[in-house]
Amino acid sequence: DAGVIQSPRHEVTEMGQEVTLRCKPISGHNSLFWYRQTMMRGLELLIYFNNNVPIDDSGMPEDRFSAKMPNASFSTLKIQPSEPRDSAVYFCASSREGGNTEAFFGQGTRLTVV
Amino acid sequence: GENVEQHPSTLSVQEGDSAVIKCTYSDSASNYFPWYKQELGKRPQLIIDIRSNVGEKKDQRIAVTLNKTAKHFSLHITETQPEDSAVYFCAADSGGYQKVTFGTGTKLQVIP
Repeated sequence: DAGVIQSPRHEVTEMGQEVTLRCKPISGHNSLFWYRQTMMRGLELLIYFNNNVPIDDSGMPEDRFSAKMPNASFSTLKIQPSEPRDSAVYFCASSREGGNTEAFFGQGTRLTVV
Repeated sequence: GENVEQHPSTLSVQEGDSAVIKCTYSDSASNYFPWYKQELGKRPQLIIDIRSNVGEKKDQRIAVTLNKTAKHFSLHITETQPEDSAVYFCAADSGGYQKVTFGTGTKLQVIP
């Protein structure tokens, strides 16, 4: 397996634009996590899916953020409209079964909003 | 919800010395405690984990200890090498919520 695949690796966008980050989890994993990493706040869990269903989105910072998982092999994180403070590295991770098994991280998307 | 605190935030050691990173957690229902290593510009990767039914686990130069009564767990790296330099994150699951909460990370620098 190629591991968790994220795209794009880098994204530079202007404030106010819509940004869509994509993730393909490892086949057979039923849990998917979106994290945001910044120097100030560390690694924050944004949202967690189990069997394609959002279980906990309490980490989503505000309504500008939304996430979907239409099937077991694809998830998106959308920011609309984007703001400079959204600049961060966004990681997607998947695990075989929830939070009590190893999480495999994608390579991340470095988002810069100017 | 779970709250995980991690100390120290930075740690410098001489090559060959030991390094210890400590974490505390708040949710007594937590049962799974992984440690991740993140090298500069790369993704976090699991290096060792421990479950609540054991008190210690070793893997070569790395060991983790868990004290469920006190709600703290620690990472021990012996005979440190320059390639151990990275940011280390502890984490704890949240019982029934099935998610993992990460500590704030420890930047370890091993000086040759």
